[in-house]
Amino acid sequence: GVSQDPRHKITKRGQNVTFRCDPISEHNRLYWYRQTLGQGPEFLIYFQGTGAADDSGLPKDRFFAVRPEGSVSTLKIQRTEQGDSAMYLCASSWKRGGNNEQFFGPGTRLTVL
Amino acid sequence: KQEVTQIPAALSVPEGENLVLNCSFTDSAIYNLQWFRQDPGKGLTSLLLIQSSQREQTSGRLNASLDKSSGRSTLYIAASQPGDSATYLCAVGARGGADGLTFGKGTHLIIQP
Repeated sequence: GVSQDPRHKITKRGQNVTFRCDPISEHNRLYWYRQTLGQGPEFLIYFQGTGAADDSGLPKDRFFAVRPEGSVSTLKIQRTEQGDSAMYLCASSWKRGGNNEQFFGPGTRLTVL
Repeated sequence: KQEVTQIPAALSVPEGENLVLNCSFTDSAIYNLQWFRQDPGKGLTSLLLIQSSQREQTSGRLNASLDKSSGRSTLYIAASQPGDSATYLCAVGARGGADGLTFGKGTHLIIQP
């Protein structure tokens, strides 16, 4: 399945954090979502291969995501704020000839103090 | 902008009952619709995916229906069990499946033993 690391991260306001997502090996699409308490996940960015095909949900100033080799992706948040506290979820899918069903990882819980 | 609403927000029923969870969406131009289950503090587990051309999908005790023209989907759970207790999320995909999913806030389900 999809794996994410770390599972939990506690940091102080102003610090940088980096999360890793390892998708299902044959999947060419990778998504990042953010979920706050009591809400559904909110789309951040999606990669097809190495390129970001849609980053419309990604806050532009402090959030950065890459997928340099078309498999593992990292999401970096610079100068964290308390409002960044959330569950960060990664998903992957295989569109070619398929139905684009998305499979999610266990998530990374970020707490900003 | 697509909006997804789930009713009810919470539901508590005795074990053994059949139940229906509702999902509505504002833009009928969807590619697919997925139902997920989320246990507390965990990632999402995909339950069923319905393509826009389909009317329903079944998996075990679960049946999901889709009425795209009216912007509605239902998830039917037969013979509920305490292990079914979780939050159930509905999500729609649009634009040929290229976009991220748009989620509802979920229905928090408790099955009383």
